[in-house]
Amino acid sequence: GQQVMQIPQYQHVQEGEDFTTYCNSSTTLSNIQWYKQRPGGHPVFLIQLVKSGEVKKQKRLTFQFGEAKKNSSLHITATQTTDVGTYFCAGPWSGGGADGLTFGKGTHLIIQP
Amino acid sequence: NAGVTQTPKFRVLKTGQSMTLLCAQDMNHEYMYWYRQDPGMGLRLIHYSVGEGTTAKGEVPDGYNVSRLKKQNFLLGLESAAPSQTSVYFCASIGFYGYTFGSGTRLTVV
Repeated sequence: GQQVMQIPQYQHVQEGEDFTTYCNSSTTLSNIQWYKQRPGGHPVFLIQLVKSGEVKKQKRLTFQFGEAKKNSSLHITATQTTDVGTYFCAGPWSGGGADGLTFGKGTHLIIQP
Repeated sequence: NAGVTQTPKFRVLKTGQSMTLLCAQDMNHEYMYWYRQDPGMGLRLIHYSVGEGTTAKGEVPDGYNVSRLKKQNFLLGLESAAPSQTSVYFCASIGFYGYTFGSGTRLTVV
């Protein structure tokens, strides 16, 4: 079945360092979404990428969708303590369920001051 | 404008007991979803609904039932709870800006 894999599982950085998480799918995706979940919280939508090779920026966050639409990345420049949390990528669920999603296992970002 | 509201926030059940988790959204969204999240795992789709009166199975539907009698409400039922259903349950609806998740229900089955 469809798999969405994320690496790394955990990332420790010093505050001010950059951070990148990578997402790979076993199948071509029509779109990919990114979510952030703070400890003890719920996932919050960050962005959706649709086009091959697409790059989108949100302040210090840069999102990329691969040319083959099977991989994506999230890069954070100069991390801050407010960036702590787990970042998930998600692609359309292969069961065809009306915008249902298959999530990666997430990358936990831990920031040391 | 509360978005997506889940009740209860916490619950402890004994094996074999039943319960219903309630999800309510005030955004007039058609599509609603139930996911479960286990430690070290991403979210997995349990059931979903594309509108009032409709439901369908997701990736991990066994042991759960759902109902969507009103557009704004999506109920998740556990008829006979098992320890394997210990998890955090998230309800979500989808609009123009992607998913909106509820704050979750932390369920422990002992």
